[in-house]
Amino acid sequence: GENVEQHPSTLSVQEGDSAVIKCTYSDSASNYFPWYKQELGKRPQLIIDIRSNVGEKKDQRIAVTLNKTAKHFSLHITETQPEDSAVYFCAASSPAAGNKLTFGGGTRVLVKP
Amino acid sequence: DVKVTQSSRYLVKRTGEKVFLECVQDMDHENMFWYRQDPGLGLRLIYFSYDVKMKEKGDIPEGYSVSREKKERFSLILESASTNQTSMYLCASSFSHAGYEQYFGPGTRLTVT
Repeated sequence: GENVEQHPSTLSVQEGDSAVIKCTYSDSASNYFPWYKQELGKRPQLIIDIRSNVGEKKDQRIAVTLNKTAKHFSLHITETQPEDSAVYFCAASSPAAGNKLTFGGGTRVLVKP
Repeated sequence: DVKVTQSSRYLVKRTGEKVFLECVQDMDHENMFWYRQDPGLGLRLIYFSYDVKMKEKGDIPEGYSVSREKKERFSLILESASTNQTSMYLCASSFSHAGYEQYFGPGTRLTVT
């Protein structure tokens, strides 16, 4: 089955700096890669996703890049703000697995004012 | 607005007890999922269901069972709770096509003593 590894497990950045989280996946058939954000005490929520026919996607201060050859994808947050402090999860899904997601271990991001 | 609710936010049970966790969604989603969340391990899939009375094992089904008698309701059952099942349990739902956003419930923090 699919295996997703996520790094780093914790990330501390100064407000205004950029943050980058990287994930690798094992199943070359995976074609859908969402990112979820979980604020303290709250439920995970989708913030951005990318499909395998696209190399990069942006939404305001967040962007995701995908390298299918290397089987890795990354989340980039620019101009970080205190409200970006949360745990971020990457995930991957393959057609054979339907809508079943395999999640990475999570990255705790702390934005210091 | 999608709403996924779980029967309890906090639950304390004794070893050996039978435990029921219930999840209800109001968006007519075909797919429903049960995850457990443990620090550093991300979200691990226990069971999922793609239709009424249908179920499939996820990555860590041992010690758990599920029931889906109605489309909107998905129950997780711990037949005989053990201390290593102390965890945060998250329910999610989505439409049936691959790559659709999963909507999460608020979670149930279960402690088994």
